[in-house]
Amino acid sequence: QLQLQESGPGLVKPSQTLSLTCAVSGGSISSGGDFWTWIRQHPGKGLEWIGYIYYSGSISYNPALKSRLTISVDTSKNQFSLRLTSVTAADTAVYYCARDAYDSRHSFDYWGHGILVTVSS
Amino acid sequence: QSVLTQPPSVSAAPGQKVTISCSGRNSNIGKNYVSWYQQLPGTGPRLLIYENKKRPSGIPDRFSGSKSGTSAILGISGLQTGDEADYYCAARDDTMNPEWVFGGGTKLIVL
Repeated sequence: QLQLQESGPGLVKPSQTLSLTCAVSGGSISSGGDFWTWIRQHPGKGLEWIGYIYYSGSISYNPALKSRLTISVDTSKNQFSLRLTSVTAADTAVYYCARDAYDSRHSFDYWGHGILVTVSS
Repeated sequence: QSVLTQPPSVSAAPGQKVTISCSGRNSNIGKNYVSWYQQLPGTGPRLLIYENKKRPSGIPDRFSGSKSGTSAILGISGLQTGDEADYYCAARDDTMNPEWVFGGGTKLIVL
């Protein structure tokens, strides 16, 4: 059973960089056919797709975040990461990592539990 | 404002059936698969329906999905109090702006 687990600081100061990591267990991030994805949910709001990375390093970003966003992958550690610069209060959200089963179920079939990140001084 | 349109809330009594609609455009629902997610209070989303109408293992057949043109529907029959949750639809979007779009979510209230 694939499991994803987000980690990182729960509090980030405005204008600083938000960094999160998603550890994948129960399967290999390099197995192919899947896009490793970040999704966020603002408090009391709906879901927003942030972007994904393939194990080879190919990426796709939400244009609304692209200028501040970097998603990277470390296949040796079986994990992928998100880096969002120049954060503001509008970046306060629960951040989820998920698997986009591009080659099979065409959906987000595994999710992490999510991590609340608050942007505040 | 979400790209896919869902009703903010629906309600029904235990044992009854409810449907949740999801409306989009040709670039997303019209040309791509729709998936549905359940988010119970205080938890992360869980995949309910993929490829418009398929259920992952462990999802009871009380949950069903369908798609026609640029709209999709999630059906939940034999409602239980434990079904009270937020439900989201999602689809890829060929405009890639962004690549994945979600509905705003529908809160199911089991009376």
